[in-house]
Amino acid sequence: GQGVEQPDNLMSVEGTFARVNCTYSTSGFNGLSWYQQREGHAPVFLSYVVLDGLKDSGHFSTFLSRSNGYSYLLLTELQIKDSASYLCAVRSPDSNYQLIWGSGTKLIIKP
Amino acid sequence: EAGVTQSPRYAVLQEGQAVSFWCDPISGHDTLYWYQQPRDQGPQLLVYFRDEAVIDNSQLPSDRFSAVRPKGTNSTLKIQSAKQGDTATYLCASSLWGGRVQNTLYFGAGTRLSVL
Repeated sequence: GQGVEQPDNLMSVEGTFARVNCTYSTSGFNGLSWYQQREGHAPVFLSYVVLDGLKDSGHFSTFLSRSNGYSYLLLTELQIKDSASYLCAVRSPDSNYQLIWGSGTKLIIKP
Repeated sequence: EAGVTQSPRYAVLQEGQAVSFWCDPISGHDTLYWYQQPRDQGPQLLVYFRDEAVIDNSQLPSDRFSAVRPKGTNSTLKIQSAKQGDTATYLCASSLWGGRVQNTLYFGAGTRLSVL
């Protein structure tokens, strides 16, 4: 079967870091995207990865392991405004190359 | 550059009523998507267009939902007879066509629908 799984909630502290995990199970893989969605707002694109390894984009970094069907989004130097849901989406021939979305991880950042 | 514009922002209906949602994509974006996002879930694709042509509407409940994009720019999604299970946020997104792979979607703010 196909699916994208994310933990429902994650809590961290301002000034530290948070790692948002995503696991997927698809018969093919054509890339994985991360989006940020603040409460009551539209998803906003953060990052796209298709090759294994760590992609450092400053405040946000993403890691991918295709052999394990696993990715994470790493947020460093957390600010209160980083509180949001983070959505993982995988593109696969299983879904005719359209995005298969996880349900999102709600990140709460405490002062 | 203007983003994706959707209207209305909110809609409240009784079961059996009809409603239409309107979307204006980013200028020059030839691909337009309609997603349904129930509360605390990820977006679920309903239909998407390249220009005026429907590329995939296999997830659109065709007995009650319809979507058009007659001139390849703006689009309308209509629910003929709403049910409580249709309660969700309806998101429109646009992108440039990249063959099988369009990596970046730009979303509108969405229409939050409540069916009582």
